Amino acid sequence: NAGVTQTPKFRVLKTGQSMTLLCAQDMNHEYMYWYRQDPGMGLRLIHYSVGEGTTAKGEVPDGYNVSRLKKQNFLLGLESAAPSQTSVYFCASSRGQGRTDTQYFGPGTRLTVL
Amino acid sequence: AQKVTQAQTEISVVEKEDVTLDCVYETRDTTYYLFWYKQPPSGELVFLIRRNSFDEQNEISGRYSWNFQKSTSSFNFTITASQVVDSAVYFCALSGGSNYQLIWGAGTKLIIKP
Repeated sequence: NAGVTQTPKFRVLKTGQSMTLLCAQDMNHEYMYWYRQDPGMGLRLIHYSVGEGTTAKGEVPDGYNVSRLKKQNFLLGLESAAPSQTSVYFCASSRGQGRTDTQYFGPGTRLTVL
Repeated sequence: AQKVTQAQTEISVVEKEDVTLDCVYETRDTTYYLFWYKQPPSGELVFLIRRNSFDEQNEISGRYSWNFQKSTSSFNFTITASQVVDSAVYFCALSGGSNYQLIWGAGTKLIIKP
């Protein structure tokens, strides 16, 4: 049981390049989330999904897009990377018994935009 | 508005000392949940505890204990007989309200010296 996995673990981009981060969970969870973590701060929600085929904006959605084509996968895309998007990105999932359910996190992706 | 404050940016103690991490929250919801997560130097986020607003009983799990006091809007975390492996950043988080995001504190970096 792998839980929540993220690919890749590290990535360096140049300004203007695009990339996709992949999150996969094998716990049959309904809800999935993308967060970013910046130094000295807690996590901030980028986008989330409450089920296959649905997505919604979180606190800091600008510059990111997401897709949830399969229940177990949640993709985060950066169409034109900017240095301000240098951060550690975490994916999480929860069973979906409401917004108060426990979220379980992947190991994170460290992204640097030059 | 919802808010979580972890006023202690960094705490350093010697191994075997007891240490308490403070968490103060603000919310207008009558039903909400509080969480603690641990982020060791390796970077992953590890779920520690989830507590709902109707349950004010203290929780003990081995060397870890949590004190929830609604009257002071606090959910403090105590480690008894600390060990070097407890060194990590600890986050307190709040959920509830009309959205799906967890509201995170900025974290407390705990350093346990041998």
